[in-house]
Amino acid sequence: DTEVTQTPKHLVMGMTNKKSLKCEQHMGHRAMYWYKQKAKKPPELMFVYSYEKLSINESVPSRFSPECPNSSLLNLHLHALQPEDSALYLCASSQVNPTEMNTEAFFGQGTRLTVV
Amino acid sequence: AQTVTQSQPEMSVQEAETVTLSCTYDTSESDYYLFWYKQPPSRQMILVIRQEAYKQQNATENRFSVNFQKAAKSFSLKISDSQLGDAAMYFCAYRSASGTASKLTFGTGTRLQVTL
Repeated sequence: DTEVTQTPKHLVMGMTNKKSLKCEQHMGHRAMYWYKQKAKKPPELMFVYSYEKLSINESVPSRFSPECPNSSLLNLHLHALQPEDSALYLCASSQVNPTEMNTEAFFGQGTRLTVV
Repeated sequence: AQTVTQSQPEMSVQEAETVTLSCTYDTSESDYYLFWYKQPPSRQMILVIRQEAYKQQNATENRFSVNFQKAAKSFSLKISDSQLGDAAMYFCAYRSASGTASKLTFGTGTRLQVTL
């Protein structure tokens, strides 16, 4: 199983709503990532979890709150978002330490988020 | 910090022909990994090919091959016998081999069109 599953695939939320994005993988990867991707741009790293602990926060506003409840799950809690936060949110996972046969990150299909 | 540059925003190739996508990068590290990811309209980032910096031999995966020039910090992707399904956004990416849960640094992408 080389799948990273993200739910929901699409989400429309108001600026006062609270919602969560979910990500799941069963590849035994202990590094998990959230990326934000605007149209026609490359993904931008938001957060990295390593062994279920937050290891990198790329100065993301506090209205985005990540959570890693166990080694297979990664959540992104959203609250009081702005219209400019509308984007594709990608989850990825990988081995923490790259080895010869396991260097790459595997990505989910993403959640297309629209903030109205 | 590492940077990845893709100087071709768009490329076009006829079906069955060969096309080369360019990528250069800047790093002070000696050990790292390079990747080409494909992102079709379905949004999922799919690994096309990877290269370990310590390997002199260029990686190949069926119709896809790379020209890795470590001294020149160049990593181009050649697609042979292009197919309609190859149409997508292609991202070159860099990952450090040191540290834990190192992030992917992406180039700005090249949109590949495949014509009949």
